[in-house]
Amino acid sequence: GAVVSQHPSWVICKSGTSVKIECRSLDFQATTMFWYRQFPKQSLMLMATSNEGSKATYEQGVEKDKFLINHASLTLSTLTVTSAHPEDSSFYICSARSTASSYEQYFGPGTRLTVT
Amino acid sequence: QKEVEQNSGPLSVPEGAIASLNCTYSDRGSQSFFWYRQYSGKSPELIMSIYSNGDKEDGRFTAQLNKASQYVSLLIRDSQPSDSATYLCAVKVRGNTPLVFGKGTRLSVIA
Repeated sequence: GAVVSQHPSWVICKSGTSVKIECRSLDFQATTMFWYRQFPKQSLMLMATSNEGSKATYEQGVEKDKFLINHASLTLSTLTVTSAHPEDSSFYICSARSTASSYEQYFGPGTRLTVT
Repeated sequence: QKEVEQNSGPLSVPEGAIASLNCTYSDRGSQSFFWYRQYSGKSPELIMSIYSNGDKEDGRFTAQLNKASQYVSLLIRDSQPSDSATYLCAVKVRGNTPLVFGKGTRLSVIA
């Protein structure tokens, strides 16, 4: 159990375009989902926390107008990187927290974004 | 200030030995503690959770928690080369807040 999927697993886009990443909890309901970014050989960096049906809470330094997060249901959250630039190239990972477990967080497999 | 600290390593152990990974945290109000394994280029995978003082065993893994010392550890018995990865310690302080992650300890198991 506790499977989280992400789509796409990798994407290449041109500078200035937008990219949408989907995160789904497949076998549990997640009231809270988290979006992380990780650059090579660096630590996980929390970008934002999203609760189903409400606005996401962004960490300091993360532009909310650039990284649009929607958490429309208990099993789906999306991250849209708008007007992507090469410096946005990174590994984006979502994580979902089960409402039934003791706050265990399960990670999706990640999406590798390359902006050319 | 909420902080989770781990030795970055690398920690090298021979195959078959016990690997001991340590983590300290600063917030005494922390309630839940987790260990994740992250292989290079992959996302973290939850391997252990522990909520009360003492030991918790799952297969070759044992998590140990000492809230008085604000210390949590992970022991890996009979280490295998496939255990070579970065191990992340994560702490939930209170409520529905995000986990606070340490920077991770890189473990290398030498065959």
